Amino acid sequence: GAVVSQHPSWVICKSGTSVKIECRSLDFQATTMFWYRQFPKQSLMLMATSNEGSKATYEQGVEKDKFLINHASLTLSTLTVTSAHPEDSSFYICSAKDRPGANVLTFGAGSRLTVL
Amino acid sequence: GNSVTQMEGPVTLSEEAFLTINCTYTATGYPSLFWYVQYPGEGLQLLLKATKADDKGSNKGFEATYRKETTSFHLEKGSVQVSDSAVYFCALSPTNTGTASKLTFGTGTRLQVTL
Repeated sequence: GAVVSQHPSWVICKSGTSVKIECRSLDFQATTMFWYRQFPKQSLMLMATSNEGSKATYEQGVEKDKFLINHASLTLSTLTVTSAHPEDSSFYICSAKDRPGANVLTFGAGSRLTVL
Repeated sequence: GNSVTQMEGPVTLSEEAFLTINCTYTATGYPSLFWYVQYPGEGLQLLLKATKADDKGSNKGFEATYRKETTSFHLEKGSVQVSDSAVYFCALSPTNTGTASKLTFGTGTRLQVTL
């Protein structure tokens, strides 16, 4: 079946640095990927929809300049947390449709970011 | 706006016990409802879904019935196994086509099954 890989699974960084998280579809082409954020004991919150070859669509309240999303190929989307601060520490999860109009999403295992 | 409320965990059960994880939702129109499961170290996987009232989704012995009158989609399994230990997420999508593009998730319920 479809597989989505996220890297890194764990990352610790210093405040003020930028961190890039990759989301790859391993055995299918994903024209659309979604980025979620999960705080401890809270729901997954959709941050943005990433479309291959175009700008991402951000949800209300998500800072575009803070969370840079690039979807340069059909198998890779990246989320860059710029100038990270401790409040950005969270679990970030990506998901993808294995074809346009698909009614099932394939999720990555998530990336835990800790900002010191 | 849309929201999903599910029971807090962790839920600890002995093997072969009956499982219920409650999920209620708030949404306008006719949403589709989903249960996702996340095993340790893995991504969320779709467990089952229902797209209209009175539909029953089922998979791997798990069942959930879309109850519009009580706005609920409770997950049940008659006899759990240790291998069912995971985090379970209830979710809704605003359309009734089953398209899972814009999901609203519950907080997740951790299930631990012991021998």
